Amino acid sequence: GAGVSQTPSNKVTEKGKYVELRCDPISGHTALYWYRQSLGQGPEFLIYFQGTGAADDSGLPNDRFFAVRPEGSVSTLKIQRTERGDSAVYLCASSIGLGQPQHFGDGTRLSIL
Amino acid sequence: GNSVTQMEGPVTLSEEAFLTINCTYTATGYPSLFWYVQYPGEGLQLLLKATKADDKGSNKGFEATYRKETTSFHLEKGSVQVSDSAVYFCALSDRLGNQFYFGTGTSLTVIP
Repeated sequence: GAGVSQTPSNKVTEKGKYVELRCDPISGHTALYWYRQSLGQGPEFLIYFQGTGAADDSGLPNDRFFAVRPEGSVSTLKIQRTERGDSAVYLCASSIGLGQPQHFGDGTRLSIL
Repeated sequence: GNSVTQMEGPVTLSEEAFLTINCTYTATGYPSLFWYVQYPGEGLQLLLKATKADDKGSNKGFEATYRKETTSFHLEKGSVQVSDSAVYFCALSDRLGNQFYFGTGTSLTVIP
């Protein structure tokens, strides 16, 4: 079956621009997670959805970052007024339930010039 | 708080050598523990897991035992292959499953 799909795979934009990153989880997975991975580091938690609601957004670095999951399936991570420090690979994962293994997408590599 | 510390790499081994990648954790309560692997050009994949003390996770010849007394979850394989070359991440999730905490990753290269 289809795995977690993330689009675009690469995004290059200028400092100050707005970007949206999309995640399509595995069908039937109620939990969805966003992570950010910088070079040479492990994934860093950003936000977690259970269904449509953001159950834990404590990892979002500041108010320029926002994520939605309006119908409990596809999720969009939104970054306003991008900064060069936002450059990283943004990973999405989904799981069938709390504490269960997460299935990761291939990530979106975001580069802010 | 929760955190994971894993041995720094890179690690280079000859084919058929024994592999150990150390992982220790700090957690409140009783976490679940995982090893994920990232092959070149691919996304993170679950390698194995253990959900309670003394559990042993195993897959593809890799093993790791959940040791509560030493707060460790070291990854081992008796005989590595070139195809095992990848980056390995140790991770934990708290009992609520809200967050996963990842180590920084250990790069393994196996040479023929």
